[in-house]
Amino acid sequence: DAGVTQSPTHLIKTRGQQVTLRCSPKSGHDTVSWYQQALGQGPQFIFQYYEEEERQRGNFPDRFSGHQFPNYSSELNVNALLLGDSALYLCASSLDENSGANVLTFGAGSRLTVL
Amino acid sequence: QQQVKQSPQSLIVQKGGISIINCAYENTAFDYFPWYQQFPGKGPALLIAIRPDVSEKKEGRFTISFNKSAKQFSLHIMDSQPGDSATYFCAASMDAGGTSYGKLTFGQGTILTVHP
Repeated sequence: DAGVTQSPTHLIKTRGQQVTLRCSPKSGHDTVSWYQQALGQGPQFIFQYYEEEERQRGNFPDRFSGHQFPNYSSELNVNALLLGDSALYLCASSLDENSGANVLTFGAGSRLTVL
Repeated sequence: QQQVKQSPQSLIVQKGGISIINCAYENTAFDYFPWYQQFPGKGPALLIAIRPDVSEKKEGRFTISFNKSAKQFSLHIMDSQPGDSATYFCAASMDAGGTSYGKLTFGQGTILTVHP
């Protein structure tokens, strides 16, 4: 049973560029959340997608946007990259039911380096 | 504003010892408290979780102790093994019925090293 898969695993961009990260949720899951994990820090919630709509958003600027597709996979887009966007971006999936919504399964992440 | 404070930042324990990691939260609306384990190059994996209607939950060598009045909870790892060496994160969220599905607030993490 495949877990959460993310691509690419590593990428390097320069300031001002745009990046797209991809996530396939665990089989049977319908909800995708994205987190940013800076080096030596805990993950920070970016946003969550359910039924192809953004349902929850953390304290991140509009440069961060996302999308969920009918097959539940998701993309995270970051525009006008800043050096401070360098981090590990984690995708987590879950099943949207009362007792399960917070039981997240994380992928291994996409390591973004902005030069 | 950091809402979940975790300590210590790092912890070294001998094999067979007890590892204890502590967390404190501010938001009294939190009602779900998981612990995640993260190995290098991997994403966090759910280890054990507790809800505030119980004061303790045990799964194998891992135990969560929860003190609602103090707004604190801790992870105890009994008989610590070298394979337990990883980064541990506490987290908190508002669960069912709220508007924060999937929005976990994490602590800053504790790097645990268990020496053989």
